[in-house]
Amino acid sequence: DAGVTQSPTHLIKTRGQQVTLRCSPKSGHDTVSWYQQALGQGPQFIFQYYEEEERQRGNFPDRFSGHQFPNYSSELNVNALLLGDSALYLCASSLTGLQQYFGPGTRLTVT
Amino acid sequence: TQLLEQSPQFLSIQEGENLTVYCNSSSVFSSLQWYRQEPGEGPVLLVTVVTGGEVKKLKRLTFQFGDARKDSSLHITAAQPGDTGLYLCAGHYSGAGSYQLTFGKGTKLSVIP
Repeated sequence: DAGVTQSPTHLIKTRGQQVTLRCSPKSGHDTVSWYQQALGQGPQFIFQYYEEEERQRGNFPDRFSGHQFPNYSSELNVNALLLGDSALYLCASSLTGLQQYFGPGTRLTVT
Repeated sequence: TQLLEQSPQFLSIQEGENLTVYCNSSSVFSSLQWYRQEPGEGPVLLVTVVTGGEVKKLKRLTFQFGDARKDSSLHITAAQPGDTGLYLCAGHYSGAGSYQLTFGKGTKLSVIP
């Protein structure tokens, strides 16, 4: 039973560029949440997708957007990258939204 | 803004010692999770607590949820080097639309052989 998978593992982008990160949820899960974890901090909630709709959003600008596909996989898009967007981006999946299981993350570096 | 505070922020102990990590909030949790995270990896779920006063054990780890569901603790007995890592507590707050997990900053534990 595969857990949550994320791609790519690492990514280096330049300021102003756009990036797309991908997530496949754990088998049987229908809800995907995205988090940003800066160095030395706990993860910060970006948004959650359920039934292909954004169900809840954290305190992140509109440059951060997402999508959920019919197979429950999800994408996180970030436009106009800033140096401060450098972080570990984590995807978590769940069935009820209660117990969230995390993927290994994508390390994004913006130069 | 709901804040979740963890203490201590850093902890360095000798193998075999006991330790307790605390997680506190001024708001009520509908549920709380504890995670352990290794550098460069995603958090791994250790336990979920839902009922006030609940105690759960996972081998040498004991998790307790406060009666008022505003605080939690993680106690490790006879710590081993393999326990080294970042321990994060995260809660769902009571209220409509509270699907997000709010995380503390974590406790970085180092167990010295």
